[in-house]
Amino acid sequence: NAGVTQTPKFQVLKTGQSMTLQCAQDMNHNSMYWYRQDPGMGLRLIYYSASEGTTDKGEVPNGYNVSRLNKREFSLRLESAAPSQTSVYFCASSEANGQNTIYFGEGSWLTVV
Amino acid sequence: DAKTTQPPSMDCAEGRAANLPCNHSTISGNEYVYWYRQIHSQGPQYIIHGLKNNETNEMASLIITEDRKSSTLILPHATLRDTAVYYCIVRDLFTGGGNKLTFGTGTQLKVEL
Repeated sequence: NAGVTQTPKFQVLKTGQSMTLQCAQDMNHNSMYWYRQDPGMGLRLIYYSASEGTTDKGEVPNGYNVSRLNKREFSLRLESAAPSQTSVYFCASSEANGQNTIYFGEGSWLTVV
Repeated sequence: DAKTTQPPSMDCAEGRAANLPCNHSTISGNEYVYWYRQIHSQGPQYIIHGLKNNETNEMASLIITEDRKSSTLILPHATLRDTAVYYCIVRDLFTGGGNKLTFGTGTQLKVEL
């Protein structure tokens, strides 16, 4: 079982460059999420998609865009990367609402220089 | 969602029980208590959750006080592999918007020989 798969695992960008983080889940979950984690801090929600066809802002959405491509895939795009976006990014998925567990990917380490 | 307070760090001897406290004094009636852990910057892993009754699964036990203002996660026989950051999260399951979680900074548990 792959669960939640993120690509790439590591990326170095120059300031102003753009890139897309890809996420796919094979658990047929309705909801998907993107979090970021800075050193010594907890995870903060960037965007989420409660169900296919919907996306909503989380706690720290500025500088990011998302696309729920289909039920399996949820991508995160940085249009013009900034050093403040250096972080570890986690994608996650779950069934919508209820007492359902959230499953996380292994993370994508992004450095913006 | 209610705010939680956890000690920043705790130590435990291998083979002993690890008792991780969490204060959630502003919890409301619809809010569940969730515990996740994060090992070595991997994606967070679900441990257990509960509303008001004590819960037990193969990983841990969750003890919630009668007034629900605090809870304790118990790892009955801690091993070195339980060294991780443990997050206590309170969430209202009826607010909609998927199953998003709000993470604090958690408790760094260090299990030693």
